[in-house]
Amino acid sequence: AQKITQTQPGMFVQEKEAVTLDCTYDTSDPSYGLFWYKQPSSGEMIFLIYQGSYDQQNATEGRYSLNFQKARKSANLVISASQLGDSAMYFCAMRDWGGSEKLVFGKGTKLTVNP
Amino acid sequence: NAGVMQNPRHLVRRRGQEARLRCSPMKGHSHVYWYRQLPEEGLKFMVYLQKENIIDESGMPKERFSAEFPKEGPSILRIQQVVRGDSAAYFCASSFEWQGSGANVLTFGAGSRLTVL
Repeated sequence: AQKITQTQPGMFVQEKEAVTLDCTYDTSDPSYGLFWYKQPSSGEMIFLIYQGSYDQQNATEGRYSLNFQKARKSANLVISASQLGDSAMYFCAMRDWGGSEKLVFGKGTKLTVNP
Repeated sequence: NAGVMQNPRHLVRRRGQEARLRCSPMKGHSHVYWYRQLPEEGLKFMVYLQKENIIDESGMPKERFSAEFPKEGPSILRIQQVVRGDSAAYFCASSFEWQGSGANVLTFGAGSRLTVL
């Protein structure tokens, strides 16, 4: 069964600094996708970044990058140059391409950016 | 997520009443996914539907919950005889292909927050 683990319930970072949010996963399927979503206090779920299991390079989207270490089954999100608006819950999720359409989510990490 | 429309955004029901949550997917999309988020938790899959067909309902509670996506109109998630434990945020999503990768990414609506008194 698929499983996502986010071990950091809360993280703090100073504005303009970089922060890494941890995510480890478990799956027996060789073909899968990893996702990060942001949930601000307003409640909506915002897609940030995607990494496929066969992608050779780490995904990047603006200030977001995904540190994908396949052998360690980790997919950490790196946010560079943090902004106050980055304060939110961040969820890691995965999906087995060979199986169902379901996304399995971790419990999330609450990021607070301090001025 | 602007393309997936959910209503109502907030719904209050008393125990025993029925709750109906509506979702219209992104324009041109014929598949929707429903997820539930309990307080302090991540989202959990409930059901995956296409027009007039349930593809995967493995995450749906066995009783009181049902979902449909008719040929015309929005998808409906229906909860009968609500209990306090049904209080949660219910999210609907449709998928789009990410940057030509062939990978389907879910884009979520703003959610419907159900409070059961």
